[in-house]
Amino acid sequence: DQQVKQNSPSLSVQEGRISILNCDYTNSMFDYFLWYKKYPAEGPTFLISISSIKDKNEDGRFTVFLNKSAKHLSLHIVPSQPGDSAVYFCAAGYNNNDMRFGAGTRLTVKP
Amino acid sequence: EAQVTQNPRYLITVTGKKLTVTCSQNMNHEYMSWYRQDPGLGLRQIYYSMNVEVTDKGDVPEGYKVSRKEKRNFPLILESPSPNQTSLYFCASSLSGRTYEQYFGPGTRLTVT
Repeated sequence: DQQVKQNSPSLSVQEGRISILNCDYTNSMFDYFLWYKKYPAEGPTFLISISSIKDKNEDGRFTVFLNKSAKHLSLHIVPSQPGDSAVYFCAAGYNNNDMRFGAGTRLTVKP
Repeated sequence: EAQVTQNPRYLITVTGKKLTVTCSQNMNHEYMSWYRQDPGLGLRQIYYSMNVEVTDKGDVPEGYKVSRKEKRNFPLILESPSPNQTSLYFCASSLSGRTYEQYFGPGTRLTVT
């Protein structure tokens, strides 16, 4: 039972344009949401997070939006750079210990 | 440098031969966990530990054991590996069980034949 879903396995965008990665969840108990970035042969690294009391969090070129009624969050990267090419995992947690991850979206930013 | 280390990075073994994957962190983190990553399934938590001598099952604990005798180390033990445990394994740590953001190790690719 996948409680966190990333329905797009891959996404390709042109350098300088916006990348939008999407994530849907089914468990309304989730109270914290995170995005991790993963390069080949490395472990995931934390990128940005948002708690359920907010609907937006911004950090430089990265913004995460949360729509609780739709159980949907998205990561916007503006402007996209070739170094952003990686696999992005969406994750959701509640009760501090229970963390669920999506299957990942492979982003390719073309120069 | 703050980091989570795992050893070995790559391992090929045969069914039934006990193995241990080590994990160590140098950040004095209380919380540590193990995940496996499989195509189309993302990262699934195997076991986690809130502190020394405190461990609990995650989503997919069957066939695995862990121990937490020291704060910095959290080994993953496969007593009798089977081919369905072929996967990419990640160890992770965070400051405490109340901190969602985790630091991940580089991964261990395990193949069981």
